[in-house]
Amino acid sequence: GAGVSQSPSNKVTEKGKDVELRCDPISGHTALYWYRQSLGQGLEFLIYFQGNSAPDKSGLPSDRFSAERTGGSVSTLTIQRTQQEDSAVYLCASSLRGAGAMRDVLTFGAGSRLTVL
Amino acid sequence: AQSVTQLGSHVSVSEGALVLLRCNYSSSVPPYLFWYVQYPNQGLQLLLKYTSAATLVKGINGFEAEFKKSETSFHLTKPSAHMSDAAEYFCAVSDRGKIIFGSGTRLSIRP
Repeated sequence: GAGVSQSPSNKVTEKGKDVELRCDPISGHTALYWYRQSLGQGLEFLIYFQGNSAPDKSGLPSDRFSAERTGGSVSTLTIQRTQQEDSAVYLCASSLRGAGAMRDVLTFGAGSRLTVL
Repeated sequence: AQSVTQLGSHVSVSEGALVLLRCNYSSSVPPYLFWYVQYPNQGLQLLLKYTSAATLVKGINGFEAEFKKSETSFHLTKPSAHMSDAAEYFCAVSDRGKIIFGSGTRLSIRP
């Protein structure tokens, strides 16, 4: 697609429920990232996928968080047994790797705002 | 691991004044460095990128940043602030493709 698409744009859930957030990156972008943006907390790195390499999961805050990327394209971030502190905007971004001026330049989606009651 | 530190979570300047947003990086190798901007109720977009081709990098909307290896800094400047520059600014570094962001600086412009 022309841009990075995320769904849902807004999600309200009850504490303890599982949620899935979807990201559809720009076609041809080999790298895909998930970040979390909380009020006053900046952009927190969660996970990074690059091609067929094992993902860098070093930013996932707990084992309740997981993500997968199928076919090198669409990615799903899953949060199990949601807690109130999970409330945030979850941002997905994609980029080209390799050489060139656009290397590592991130294109962000509009984000998925998660509210856990 | 590489990281960036942004000094000052909030900066306020008068319209027409110099804008200076500070960013320091930690890296054992020449880094790729970035500044991104997030305008109110909008997504993040790239302002500029440093890739070692030139130490002074010009970006969009009159912003520029200078890479200073001796100071491990990549501060963002604009000679004359405009009301439309009010936004949140993020410095970032590439660590072998993994992009790490600073905590952000909110820029306010006083009339």
